[in-house]
Amino acid sequence: DTEVTQTPKHLVMGMTNKKSLKCEQHMGHRAMYWYKQKAKKPPELMFVYSYEKLSINESVPSRFSPECPNSSLLNLHLHALQPEDSALYLCASSQDRGAAKQFFGPGTRLTVL
Amino acid sequence: RKEVEQDPGPFNVPEGATVAFNCTYSNSASQSFFWYRQDCRKEPKLLMSVYSSGNEDGRFTAQLNRASQYISLLIRDSKLSDSATYLCVVNSYSGGYQKVTFGTGTKLQVIP
Repeated sequence: DTEVTQTPKHLVMGMTNKKSLKCEQHMGHRAMYWYKQKAKKPPELMFVYSYEKLSINESVPSRFSPECPNSSLLNLHLHALQPEDSALYLCASSQDRGAAKQFFGPGTRLTVL
Repeated sequence: RKEVEQDPGPFNVPEGATVAFNCTYSNSASQSFFWYRQDCRKEPKLLMSVYSSGNEDGRFTAQLNRASQYISLLIRDSKLSDSATYLCVVNSYSGGYQKVTFGTGTKLQVIP
């Protein structure tokens, strides 16, 4: 299984809602990533988890809260988002945080009203 | 100056044409290099790694020039299905982790 899966595919939420994005991989990878991608821009790194511990937080606002329950799962909890947070949220994984090749999930397209 | 720069295009080429993209990077300590392709509203997918000796995968050839700090991707005999955005990715290793930097992407449109 060489796939990274993400749910939901699409999400529309209001600024007062709380929602979660989920990511799963069964490749035995020990590093997982959240990226944010706006239209016609490259992905921007948000968080890196290595061996289920948060390694990197790229100065992301606290309304985004990551969680890594186990080595296969990565969540992104959303609360009090702004319309400018609307974007494609991509999850990726790699063998470990020192590995260069990353494999991306299909993304969750988020719209904040 | 951006860490990784690409010509955004679009490159509009006829089927069967050969097209080349360049990407320049500013961090001389960068260690590994990749080309990803991203179809509209889809996730990036790894196309190929880039090695100093150059490497080829079918119609695709990638080159790395460390002295001039650029990488290139050559696509021969373009197909309609090659239409996508091509992202240059440059990695540097610091503090025990890979810092992944994406270029802004070059859009390719192959025309019938």
